[in-house]
Amino acid sequence: NAGVTQTPKFQVLKTGQSMTLQCAQDMNHNSMYWYRQDPGMGLRLIYYSASEGTTDKGEVPNGYNVSRLNKREFSLRLESAAPSQTSVYFCASRGQAMAAGSDTQYFGPGTRLTVL
Amino acid sequence: AQSVTQLGSHVSVSEGALVLLRCNYSSSVPPYLFWYVQYPNQGLQLLLKYTSAATLVKGINGFEAEFKKSETSFHLTKPSAHMSDAAEYFCAVSKLDTGRRALTFGSGTRLQVQP
Repeated sequence: NAGVTQTPKFQVLKTGQSMTLQCAQDMNHNSMYWYRQDPGMGLRLIYYSASEGTTDKGEVPNGYNVSRLNKREFSLRLESAAPSQTSVYFCASRGQAMAAGSDTQYFGPGTRLTVL
Repeated sequence: AQSVTQLGSHVSVSEGALVLLRCNYSSSVPPYLFWYVQYPNQGLQLLLKYTSAATLVKGINGFEAEFKKSETSFHLTKPSAHMSDAAEYFCAVSKLDTGRRALTFGSGTRLQVQP
């Protein structure tokens, strides 16, 4: 049981390049989240997915797109990277409502992205 | 809207001393409250959570926190600090009245433990 996994761990992009951050969970969770972490600001929600095929914007969605093609995987895409998107990106998942532990989000190890 | 304020971006204690990390929240509805710990270059690990049961919550590694509604606080304590407690700690709140249950985080407190 690996929990939440993220790839890649590190990435350096040039301004204008695109990339996709991958996230997968093996806990059969319905809800998945993408956050970004910036110094002195805690984590902020980028996008949320309640289930396969559904996504919803969070606090800071501009410049990002997401895809939830199946229950396990939730990807985050940067179409045209900007230096302001330099950050650490965390994926998280949460179990279905009323299930044991459904109030807790479980986090992946993060992806450190630098945009030059 | 909900928000979380962590007082003190850096806290330094001596090994064996009391650890006190402060967290105040604002929420228009009864919240769930969480403390997460982040070790260098790692993801976030749940320390403990308050979900409307007992107001004094015990977590892993000897940490505990008390929910005080009148003070809108959820401070994290540990009686005796270990060197291994050096990390960044995040307080977070989750609203109960939405299915999203996204977390709103404080800005974090970096704990240093001096030998």
